[in-house]
Amino acid sequence: DTVLTQSPALAVSPGERVSISCRASEGVNSYMHWYQQKPGQQPKLLIYKASNLASGVPARFSGSGSGTDFTLTIDPVEADDTATYFCQQSWNDPFTFGSGTKLEIK
Amino acid sequence: EVQLVESGGGLVQPGRSMKLSCAASGFTFSNYGMAWVRQAPKKGLEWVAYISYDGGSTYYRDPVKGRFTISRDNAKSTLYLQMDSLRSEDTATYYCTIYTTDYWGFAYWGQGTLVTVSS
Repeated sequence: DTVLTQSPALAVSPGERVSISCRASEGVNSYMHWYQQKPGQQPKLLIYKASNLASGVPARFSGSGSGTDFTLTIDPVEADDTATYFCQQSWNDPFTFGSGTKLEIK
Repeated sequence: EVQLVESGGGLVQPGRSMKLSCAASGFTFSNYGMAWVRQAPKKGLEWVAYISYDGGSTYYRDPVKGRFTISRDNAKSTLYLQMDSLRSEDTATYYCTIYTTDYWGFAYWGQGTLVTVSS
């Protein structure tokens, strides 16, 4: 299976820029997606195919990367962005998720 | 507005069966592939099974192959997951999701239903 590696946690202040990384154990082309999961809620798609903003998602969120290295950027960060962020690939079978990066807003 | 409402979860003994349902509304159900994704308590996400828009193709991750069956009733706009020979490691919240080639990801998620496998 394709393993997606994310850093476990980050803490930033409101108004700052934060980048969350995801590294794949093998190439996934551009088929990397990002989800936001707030405590007690279901995940929500933010970015699809590496850099495309999903419907209704604020332009503060952006994605980049291809192959094995991908980044989700939030700029500027707001207090409401407190959540766990997961990457997910749909290029290799089976589809896999990263373990998530918990973002704390100071 | 897209709505996915799961039901059927609860406590079940190891080795027993359980069937989850997902009632869909707010979109043309028969046009979209659907999937189940699970999340063990305080853990990450894991794709479980996928079914094509017409039910003609199904895919499963290896640990559930032969034990779980995904199906759909397009007339009722309902997705199902039949889970047999349940194990403790199947304990998780199960999410119903829309998997669309518009995004190539899981575009919409239900609120989830918790399945606890324990004696």
